[in-house]
Amino acid sequence: GNSVTQMEGPVTLSEEAFLTINCTYTATGYPSLFWYVQYPGEGLQLLLKATKADDKGSNKGFEATYRKETTSFHLEKGSVQVSDSAVYFCAPRGQAGTALIFGKGTTLSVSS
Amino acid sequence: NAGVTQTPKFQVLKTGQSMTLQCAQDMNHNSMYWYRQDPGMGLRLIYYSASEGTTDKGEVPNGYNVSRLNKREFSLRLESAAPSQTSVYFCASRLRELDVNYGYTFGSGTRLTVV
Repeated sequence: GNSVTQMEGPVTLSEEAFLTINCTYTATGYPSLFWYVQYPGEGLQLLLKATKADDKGSNKGFEATYRKETTSFHLEKGSVQVSDSAVYFCAPRGQAGTALIFGKGTTLSVSS
Repeated sequence: NAGVTQTPKFQVLKTGQSMTLQCAQDMNHNSMYWYRQDPGMGLRLIYYSASEGTTDKGEVPNGYNVSRLNKREFSLRLESAAPSQTSVYFCASRLRELDVNYGYTFGSGTRLTVV
């Protein structure tokens, strides 16, 4: 079955630092890939997605590129802000008829 | 547009008590899901309903039952609550299960404590 591995946190950065959160997956075929963000006390929100190899998803300054050769979908942001402090989840889409699989989440804490 | 609405937001139960977590969506989505979130464990799928009239077990279904009451509503029931079911529960929906390019819309969660 499909599975996903995210880098463990917490990740602590200063404002304007560069962010990378690693995500690798195992899957049958070529699943769609998603990043979700969870702000304190809230539910998960879709941050970005990529539906095929070499696609780059982007939103709110975050980017992730679907790398088929390395089965990775690393999340990056060039300059983080305090408001980016949240938990980030990588989620590959399972096969048709199955639910999304979520990584364990990476907590990001940004200080000013 | 409310999206996915979960009730209640907080609940404390005694061991052995029963309760139903409610979830409703107003986006005309076909597929609905229940996840639990625990520290260090991420989100784990409890049950899902690909379409009205169908339900399937997820990764951690033991101790839970679900009902897809209609297209809008998908409830999660704990028949005899245990401390191990202390968690934050999230309901989510998607337009169609076979739409591989679509993500989920999540509710804001129910924080359940079993003492």
